[in-house]
Amino acid sequence: KAGVTQTPRYLIKTRGQQVTLSCSPISGHRSVSWYQQTPGQGLQFLFEYFSETQRNKGNFPGRFSGRQFSNSRSEMNVSTLELGDSALYLCASKGQGQSYEQYFGPGTRLTVT
Amino acid sequence: KQEVTQIPAALSVPEGENLVLNCSFTDSAIYNLQWFRQDPGKGLTSLLLIQSSQREQTSGRLNASLDKSSGRSTLYIAASQPGDSATYLCAVTRGGADGLTFGKGTHLIIQP
Repeated sequence: KAGVTQTPRYLIKTRGQQVTLSCSPISGHRSVSWYQQTPGQGLQFLFEYFSETQRNKGNFPGRFSGRQFSNSRSEMNVSTLELGDSALYLCASKGQGQSYEQYFGPGTRLTVT
Repeated sequence: KQEVTQIPAALSVPEGENLVLNCSFTDSAIYNLQWFRQDPGKGLTSLLLIQSSQREQTSGRLNASLDKSSGRSTLYIAASQPGDSATYLCAVTRGGADGLTFGKGTHLIIQP
């Protein structure tokens, strides 16, 4: 079974621009979560989608948004980029078993200049 | 608000030693705890998951224990190898739509 895939792997953007990141979960997984990892704050939960619905959201400004498609693929969008948005963005998928074990993709490294 | 702390923040040991990484969490109302490994610039690899009703899980040279009532977990690595060098993260969740709450990690270096 293929793992979680994320595209692109690396991005360089300028302040004020917007960016869209993509995540494809493990086949059969319907839940996708997004996380931001920075050296200062560590790993922080952004939001979780299940069956095209956002079920939970972390403490991030409205510039961070996402969506999920009917095939469970998910996109995350950040508008009006700030220097502080430079981070590794990770997505994770989980199946419908009772363990709620999460499987992570390789991440997208976003650099904002 | 759940807080997860990992001690030590960094650890350097010679190859072959057994070692223990510690994780504590403030809210014992968790559904499970996961230990992950992260290599530099890479994603997270799940090592072990312990559900709240379990006391420990083992995989190869790794053993993780959970004491939910005291808010503690340990990851024991036996006979460490240079390939074990990485950052180890623990995370907890209440399950369902709840996200994972992570500690800041333990940066482990195994000296050949």
